[in-house]
Amino acid sequence: AQRVTQPEKLLSVFKGAPVELKCNYSYSGSPELFWYVQYSRQRLQLLLRHISRESIKGFTADLNKGETSFHLKKPFAQEEDSAMYYCALSPRGYNKLIFGAGTRLAVHP
Amino acid sequence: DAMVIQNPRYQVTQFGKPVTLSCSQTLNHNVMYWYQQKSSQAPKLLFHYYDKDFNNEADTPDNFQSRRPNTSFCFLDIRSPGLGDAAMYLCATSRGFGVNEQYFGPGTRLTVT
Repeated sequence: AQRVTQPEKLLSVFKGAPVELKCNYSYSGSPELFWYVQYSRQRLQLLLRHISRESIKGFTADLNKGETSFHLKKPFAQEEDSAMYYCALSPRGYNKLIFGAGTRLAVHP
Repeated sequence: DAMVIQNPRYQVTQFGKPVTLSCSQTLNHNVMYWYQQKSSQAPKLLFHYYDKDFNNEADTPDNFQSRRPNTSFCFLDIRSPGLGDAAMYLCATSRGFGVNEQYFGPGTRLTVT
């Protein structure tokens, strides 16, 4: 079964603290993996994708095929990072996204 | 310069009364998607169009239908809404096959009374 699991519904940190949002996936092949973000009163938007190996707004995510994980990390959280974060999987060759239930990140001053 | 537009933003319908949600895009993307998102749950793909080709997810109820009259517009029809269909409905677009970013609309929140 194809599934994305985000074990934490809420992650609360103080400004400047490191952040790690966990994502585990279940997929028999090699998936494409993404992180999408939804800021307050804004639409869902792409944050980063594993294939690009990029850092966006200080966030990085490494695909660990052995652990089937794609955790999102940032060394120093900022208040503007407060948002809902969704990990998503796209099976290769298919036009679809399978989302996790999301983790709300709250960064306190 | 909104790229994916959904109307209305809030829709209230009665149990069993057909309802249509609308999505339009200014991106000229080939693919348009409809997702259902219930409270505190993951967005769940209902179906998508690649140009005029309709692709239904296996577990999408027959109560949900879609139309895409042209590249820009896509509609979600719920033939007989039940209380369990109350949710946020998200429309998204992408350029086509491959690892393409999906662009989401703001969503329509459907309430069934």
